[in-house]
Amino acid sequence: GQQLNQSPQSMFIQEGEDVSMNCTSSSIFNTWLWYKQDPGEGPVLLIALYKAGELTSNGRLTAQFGITRKDSFLNISASIPSDVGIYFCAGRGEAGNNRKLIWGLGTSLAVNP
Amino acid sequence: EPEVTQTPSHQVTQMGQEVILRCVPISNHLYFYWYRQILGQKVEFLVSFYNNEISEKSEIFDDQFSVERPDGSNFTLKIRSTKLEDSAMYFCPSAVEEGEVYGYTFGSGTRLTVV
Repeated sequence: GQQLNQSPQSMFIQEGEDVSMNCTSSSIFNTWLWYKQDPGEGPVLLIALYKAGELTSNGRLTAQFGITRKDSFLNISASIPSDVGIYFCAGRGEAGNNRKLIWGLGTSLAVNP
Repeated sequence: EPEVTQTPSHQVTQMGQEVILRCVPISNHLYFYWYRQILGQKVEFLVSFYNNEISEKSEIFDDQFSVERPDGSNFTLKIRSTKLEDSAMYFCPSAVEEGEVYGYTFGSGTRLTVV
C-alpha cells in the first residue's frame, strides 16, 4: 500500500533557527498537505500543494511539491516558541479509491527560547 | 470560521461495550470521513462517506465499525464491541467536494479510552 516516510522524527532547535522537514512517498500523489497538530487538538492545515514543482509560502512557512510527485518539504524560517508541535505531511492520490489522505508519522518540533 | 463539532470530547468505556462517536460536519459539506490517531502515532484513514453511503473504507474498518448519517446533520461512528486497541483520538473531517482541500476541516476530535 501507499506509504509516506517523514523525517526527521523529532527536532530540538534554538529560537530563531530555520527548520526543514520532508516526506517521501512510494507512489505518486496529486496533492501534498502539511498540517500542524498541537496537544489535544486536531490537525490544522498549514499549506496545500497541488502541482509538481509548486512552491508555496504561508508566512514563515514554505513548502514545495517535488517534481517527481513523490516528495515534499516544509521549511520554517526564524522559528519561535509557538512553532512547537507535531508537523504531519499528508498526500492524496488520483480520483477514485486513492482519494483518502495518507499520513506521515510526524515530525515533533521543540523550540528552546 | 465554520468548524466541525465532535462529541463527546473524551469517552471512557469498558472493553466489549458499544460506543457511538458523534460529529456535526460543516453544513454545506458533502464528503465525510473518519480518521483515528493512536496516541503518538500517525493519523489513519477509517472510512469515507458520500451520498449516504460508504465510498471507501480501510482494513481497520471491519465489521465492528459502522457509520450513519441519521438526520442529515449528524455523522456517527459506532464501534459495536470495543477493544483495548480502539483507544485513540477519532477525527471526522468533512469536505465540500473531493478536490476542495481547504474544505477538509478537522475538529478537535474525540478521545476514546477503552479500559
